[in-house]
Amino acid sequence: GAGVSQSPRYKVTKRGQDVALRCDPISGHVSLYWYRQALGQGPEFLTYFNYEAQQDKSGLPNDRFSAERPEGSISTLTIQRTEQRDSAMYRCASSLGSGRRGAYEQYFGPGTRLTVT
Amino acid sequence: LAKTTQPISMDSYEGQEVNITCSHNNIATNDYITWYQQFPSQGPRFIIQGYKTKVTNEVASLFIPADRKSSTLSLPRVSLSDTAVYYCLVGVYNNNDMRFGAGTRLTVKP
Repeated sequence: GAGVSQSPRYKVTKRGQDVALRCDPISGHVSLYWYRQALGQGPEFLTYFNYEAQQDKSGLPNDRFSAERPEGSISTLTIQRTEQRDSAMYRCASSLGSGRRGAYEQYFGPGTRLTVT
Repeated sequence: LAKTTQPISMDSYEGQEVNITCSHNNIATNDYITWYQQFPSQGPRFIIQGYKTKVTNEVASLFIPADRKSSTLSLPRVSLSDTAVYYCLVGVYNNNDMRFGAGTRLTVKP
């Protein structure tokens, strides 16, 4: 079946503009995660959802970052008043969710490369 | 959070067995150990998960000693295409404390 998709794949924006990054998880997956990855570094956790409920947003860098998943499926990560330091690869992942022991396998999307000029 | 420590990089040659060890001294009773692989320009991909002793799948084996304070990912007979970054994660089913570290960059040479 279809995997996790993200759009746009590439986004170039000017400093101060708002951007919205979209994630379409695998159908039926309960949990959805957002990560940010700098070149040469591991993915940095931002936030995650179970269904439409945001479970943990402790990784969001500041209040310019927000995320939503209103219907428990597609999610949007919004960055307001972008700054150059926000430039990175933003990755989304989904997993089946809770209900059994062990950590659920996360399926990652291709990412959105954000460049703030 | 259970912190993990892995070597930053490793080199190997085609056909060799590669073992990557991860330390997780403060692993909790309910924590599972999960390994991911990431190729350049791609997102991480699940390799294997285990709780104790040994787990084997078609890709790798995971060895976990009785005290569970470390784990070893074993890749049999690596090829050039196994060149990637390998991440060790420790956490429980709700994933809310799963964090990726810097990983181990494995380079397989001909």
